[in-house]
Amino acid sequence: DVVMTQTPVSLSVSLGGQVSISCRSSQSLVHNNGNTYLSWYLQKPGQSPQLLIYKVSNRFSGISDRFSGSGSGTDFTLKISRVEPDDLGVYYCGQGTQYPNTFGAGTKLELK
Amino acid sequence: EVQLVETGGGLVQPGRSLKLSCVASGFTFNNYWMSWTRQAPGKGLEWVASITNSGGSTYYPDSVKGRFTISRDNAQNTLYLQMNSLRSEDTATYYCTRYYSSYDCFVYWGQGTLVTVSS
Repeated sequence: DVVMTQTPVSLSVSLGGQVSISCRSSQSLVHNNGNTYLSWYLQKPGQSPQLLIYKVSNRFSGISDRFSGSGSGTDFTLKISRVEPDDLGVYYCGQGTQYPNTFGAGTKLELK
Repeated sequence: EVQLVETGGGLVQPGRSLKLSCVASGFTFNNYWMSWTRQAPGKGLEWVASITNSGGSTYYPDSVKGRFTISRDNAQNTLYLQMNSLRSEDTATYYCTRYYSSYDCFVYWGQGTLVTVSS
């Protein structure tokens, strides 16, 4: 299975600040068809996860442009700018390139 | 508005069975793959099963293959997860998810139903 490693485990940020979360995969996430199926999810406290980003850098419908995804191969990054209170929670990266779908262990974003 | 409502969770003894249901609304159910994903208490996410829009093909990770069965009733807009030979490590909140096969990601998530496997 593809192992997804997220760093850091937790992150403290001031409102209005910027943060980056790293996600590394144990194998390349480039599919035979040339696409890279790396996605990002946010699980707010007490809620279900929600999709933020798909295929590395595409924001899902309704997601603020303060969220941006980048990367290639095995190294990926989620950046959040101008952090707002509603951004707090646990962020997960996930891959769908190789069976089975796997997720990172999560990065908890907290207020400083 | 897409809605996914899971039911069927509860306390079950090891080795016993349980069947989860998920009623979908707000979209054309038979156009989409569907999946179940779970989250053990205080832990991360684990994909459990997926089914194609027609129900003709199903997929599982090794951790549940042979014990869990995903199915769907497109006439009733309902997704199911039959879980047999349950183990303590199956204790988790189970989320019904709409899977977007073109992007290989989980687009919409239900509120989840908690399954506790304990004697």
